[in-house]
Amino acid sequence: DVKVTQSSRYLVKRTGEKVFLECVQDMDHENMFWYRQDPGLGLRLIYFSYDVKMKEKGDIPEGYSVSREKKERFSLILESASTNQTSMYLCASRLEPGQGFREQYFGPGTRLTVT
Amino acid sequence: AQSVTQLGSHVSVSEGALVLLRCNYSSSVPPYLFWYVQYPNQGLQLLLKYTSAATLVKGINGFEAEFKKSETSFHLTKPSAHMSDAAEYFCAVSDREGSQGNLIFGKGTKLSVKP
Repeated sequence: DVKVTQSSRYLVKRTGEKVFLECVQDMDHENMFWYRQDPGLGLRLIYFSYDVKMKEKGDIPEGYSVSREKKERFSLILESASTNQTSMYLCASRLEPGQGFREQYFGPGTRLTVT
Repeated sequence: AQSVTQLGSHVSVSEGALVLLRCNYSSSVPPYLFWYVQYPNQGLQLLLKYTSAATLVKGINGFEAEFKKSETSFHLTKPSAHMSDAAEYFCAVSDREGSQGNLIFGKGTKLSVKP
């Protein structure tokens, strides 16, 4: 069974703080993703990574950065948190985008509130 | 470019009634299609996926979906709703040919089940 864990379920930070969201998967998946989820907007891709030390911008990368130093861990960084980054953040992993392996496996999410 | 449209942000059914959640997609190449479910305060869980093996796809919890190329649809159904089916449901499409194969999500449909 694929397991994707996220470091916190709920997080409250102040405006201007640097925030780290951690994600770990235990199935040796190559690809990892960070999304944010907002009511009425669905899931929007922030960043993704195909392999260690590789990263690609998604649809809404502004205000975020990522780090992938180890295959199992993918971190999302908010350099200077702002109130419009209050959201649910979801991490996902995927084996590889080959035939039949495009489904992603999701963590439980981190609900971040920036005050 | 690919896109997904879920008709109806909220659907309400009575317990025991048919569940029908609508999804239409746009893709210039044959797609992979997915339905995910999200229970309150949890991550997304894969319900079922279409990868061209069969147009009628059976998933977990009694759900199924039918791929109709002529209608560019992938509607999700369940013959008899349970209270435990109350959740948010997301349809997603992936590019079959592209090397990235990332998922494009619809905005979600929240299903309520009345006793």
